[in-house]
Amino acid sequence: AQTVTQSQPEMSVQEAETVTLSCTYDTSESDYYLFWYKQPPSRQMILVIRQEAYKQQNATENRFSVNFQKAAKSFSLKISDSQLGDAAMYFCAFSENSGGSNYKLTFGKGTLLTVNP
Amino acid sequence: GAVVSQHPSWVICKSGTSVKIECRSLDFQATTMFWYRQFPKQSLMLMATSNEGSKATYEQGVEKDKFLINHASLTLSTLTVTSAHPEDSSFYICSARSGGHQPQHFGDGTRLSIL
Repeated sequence: AQTVTQSQPEMSVQEAETVTLSCTYDTSESDYYLFWYKQPPSRQMILVIRQEAYKQQNATENRFSVNFQKAAKSFSLKISDSQLGDAAMYFCAFSENSGGSNYKLTFGKGTLLTVNP
Repeated sequence: GAVVSQHPSWVICKSGTSVKIECRSLDFQATTMFWYRQFPKQSLMLMATSNEGSKATYEQGVEKDKFLINHASLTLSTLTVTSAHPEDSSFYICSARSGGHQPQHFGDGTRLSIL
């Protein structure tokens, strides 16, 4: 079974600064996907970024980028130029790249990010 | 694109009643839908996975007779909480994916309060 660990229950950052959220995972699979989801106070789950394990290049979406270290099974999220709207709970998630698994997501416990003005 | 609509967003009902929650994919066909439960300040816990036209697959510890899931079409899945009790009060979220390597897209969730 896969596990996802987010070791930072809470993080804070000053507006316009950069923050990195940590995530590690454990799996015996070689082909999988990793995700970061954002859940603001509205509780809507928003996909921030996705990384395919077979791609060595780190995914980037505007101010959001990841540092994917496959050998270390690490998948951190960097938020640059933090904005007040980035304040939310961030969940790291894992999915096997296998139809047999139905691409089920395994979530970490989350990191609550506060952005200070 | 990839919009998932979940209804109702909030429901309050008396203990012993059954509550149905709907999850619809508005602009894509959802071959697989998922139902999650989330307690305050906790992560999402997968309850079950449903494929269109098939019986749902429940995660260990989830009572299939308590949480009835129907995925009758490629755009609609329903979760019925039968004979609901206060301990069933929670936030329920559905998600849907179209197939292949597409990610899950989430509904806005349903806050269920059982009095």
